[in-house]
Amino acid sequence: DAGVIQSPRHEVTEMGQEVTLRCKPISGHDYLFWYRQTMMRGLELLIYFNNNVPIDDSGMPEDRFSAKMPNASFSTLKIQPSEPRDSAVYFCASSLGSGGRNQPQHFGDGTRLSIL
Amino acid sequence: AQKITQTQPGMFVQEKEAVTLDCTYDTSDPSYGLFWYKQPSSGEMIFLIYQGSYDQQNATEGRYSLNFQKARKSANLVISASQLGDSAMYFCAMREDVTQGGSEKLVFGKGMKLTVNP
Repeated sequence: DAGVIQSPRHEVTEMGQEVTLRCKPISGHDYLFWYRQTMMRGLELLIYFNNNVPIDDSGMPEDRFSAKMPNASFSTLKIQPSEPRDSAVYFCASSLGSGGRNQPQHFGDGTRLSIL
Repeated sequence: AQKITQTQPGMFVQEKEAVTLDCTYDTSDPSYGLFWYKQPSSGEMIFLIYQGSYDQQNATEGRYSLNFQKARKSANLVISASQLGDSAMYFCAMREDVTQGGSEKLVFGKGMKLTVNP
């Protein structure tokens, strides 16, 4: 079975450019999560969706960040304009709703973003 | 307040020995789930094991087991018969029960690095 697919795997761009990260969740999963991982702050949840609807975006750092989920099989995280401090590994994860049960989040391989 | 605490920044273990990775958590909810993830140097996050707060038995998955002590709010991961491929970062995470007013959010600890020596 295909796991969570993220693209690109690596992105290097100059400050001020728009960056778009893409994610395809596992088919049938109704939750999608975007995380950012840095050495300083560890793994932070940015936003998550349920059935394509944003549920909690309290982790989105500022207005330069936006995320969309136009359908059940695709989500984007956009940074515009990008800044060097946005350099990090960005993970997308998906899961079934837990309802109190064991439903782990399954992670993609991440996008390593470097803003010069 | 920090909800997940992993105090060991790094550990070393000899191949074939068992190792325990510590995790303590803080929650006032009676129902929650605890997760362990592995992140090798290649970067992906791999789900290892889950423990529900009401589970009667400690969780086991192959060489992984969870030493769950609810009263002490600890959920330590035990890896038996360590292998070189176990060298990685390990993250403990918690999810409060959505049916009790929690959400699907996972809160992660800062992780700890395990090195298995030959």
